[in-house]
Amino acid sequence: ELKVEQNPLFLSMQEGKNYTIYCNYSTTSDRLYWYRQDPGKSLESLFVLLSNGAVKQEGRLMASLDTKARLSTLHITAAVHDLSATYFCAVGRNEKLTFGTGTRLTIIP
Amino acid sequence: DGGITQSPKYLFRKEGQNVTLSCEQNLNHDAMYWYRQDPGQGLRLIYYSQIVNDFQKGDIAEGYSVSREKKESFPLTVTSAQKNPTAFYLCASRGLAGGNLAKNIQYFGAGTRLSVL
Repeated sequence: ELKVEQNPLFLSMQEGKNYTIYCNYSTTSDRLYWYRQDPGKSLESLFVLLSNGAVKQEGRLMASLDTKARLSTLHITAAVHDLSATYFCAVGRNEKLTFGTGTRLTIIP
Repeated sequence: DGGITQSPKYLFRKEGQNVTLSCEQNLNHDAMYWYRQDPGQGLRLIYYSQIVNDFQKGDIAEGYSVSREKKESFPLTVTSAQKNPTAFYLCASRGLAGGNLAKNIQYFGAGTRLSVL
């Protein structure tokens, strides 16, 4: 059974600081996704990572994948308030996605 | 605009009642999915369908039923057998694998929040 673990579950950061969210998964998979969810809203796709060593960047967010370690990271650079949200990683295997429990990120002015 | 439409946005269920959540997409996607999200938790897969007239159980299918009579539509029925139905329900769709990378992404609707009266 595929298990996906994220940490930390909750994260409060000051504006301007850097931090990393970690996503570990238990078995080999096809692909790794990062999604963002604002309170009471749907999920927005951020990144798709397909191969070992893949790195994707969009603004202050950068995602990477290490398939050998079964680990993906989401790095936040110089955080701003607009990045406050819950971030989910999801691991794809066959036709399904298995989601982590999410990291609730709060950016403090 | 292309997208996934879920309705209603809010739904209340009486004890013993079946209720149906609607999900429609005009993205010409083949695969569709239903997830349940409980407060402070991740998404859990209820059912999914890769082609019309075919669907598979996810991790928490008990107490739910689906149909896929049209490519565009994948309604979810929460039956009276589901004893704890209060949750946020999200529908997603995905295009064919291979070819365009973007088609491997699952795109989500705005969700339906179901509560029990």
